[in-house]
Amino acid sequence: DAKTTQPNSMESNEEEPVHLPCNHSTISGTDYIHWYRQLPSQGPEYVIHGLTSNVNNRMASLAIAEDRKSSTLILHRATLRDAAVYYCILRLPNDYKLSFGAGTTVTVRA
Amino acid sequence: DAGVIQSPRHEVTEMGQEVTLRCKPISGHNSLFWYRQTMMRGLELLIYSNNNVPIDDSGMPEDRFSAKMPNASFSTLKIQPSEPRDSAVYFCASSPTGGAGYGYTFGSGTRLTVV
Repeated sequence: DAKTTQPNSMESNEEEPVHLPCNHSTISGTDYIHWYRQLPSQGPEYVIHGLTSNVNNRMASLAIAEDRKSSTLILHRATLRDAAVYYCILRLPNDYKLSFGAGTTVTVRA
Repeated sequence: DAGVIQSPRHEVTEMGQEVTLRCKPISGHNSLFWYRQTMMRGLELLIYSNNNVPIDDSGMPEDRFSAKMPNASFSTLKIQPSEPRDSAVYFCASSPTGGAGYGYTFGSGTRLTVV
């Protein structure tokens, strides 16, 4: 299975953008890139996913490198509510399993 | 949409007792998942069902664990007998399909403590 590598932690100031990197150098041509987050005492929450093109939704943007060996989740204006563990996960098209790694713990300073 | 609903939110039970965790998936979602989260092992998939049929139960720890989905709107995870090592947060999740083109919606979880 293709693996992902994320920094253990990141800090940000409120209302500033947050760029969360994810390396996946062994990604296959059909792997989807998924991002989830888990707020304290909550279940994981789907954030965004993409295959080749950059993606935007109401929560975040996903920037995918041209060679697809890395991606960046962008939170445009961090709020205190965005403090969470963020997980970058690769999935093959028919792969039903979400394999959660350690993720990146994001701290937002007021 | 109320999302995925789990009950109870917290459960404390004595070793040897039967425990039943409940899940109501999002209406119209055909795929249902049970996950467990502990500090030591992180988030682990216990079982995946599609259209009410178990597809992958390889993550179920042992025969003490069983999952049922009597209909598309309700699932249970039963532990009998419970042991202290079963203490964890159990999450239920649902998705329109099991494919990677969709995200999963997780419930808020049931925190189980076995004493």
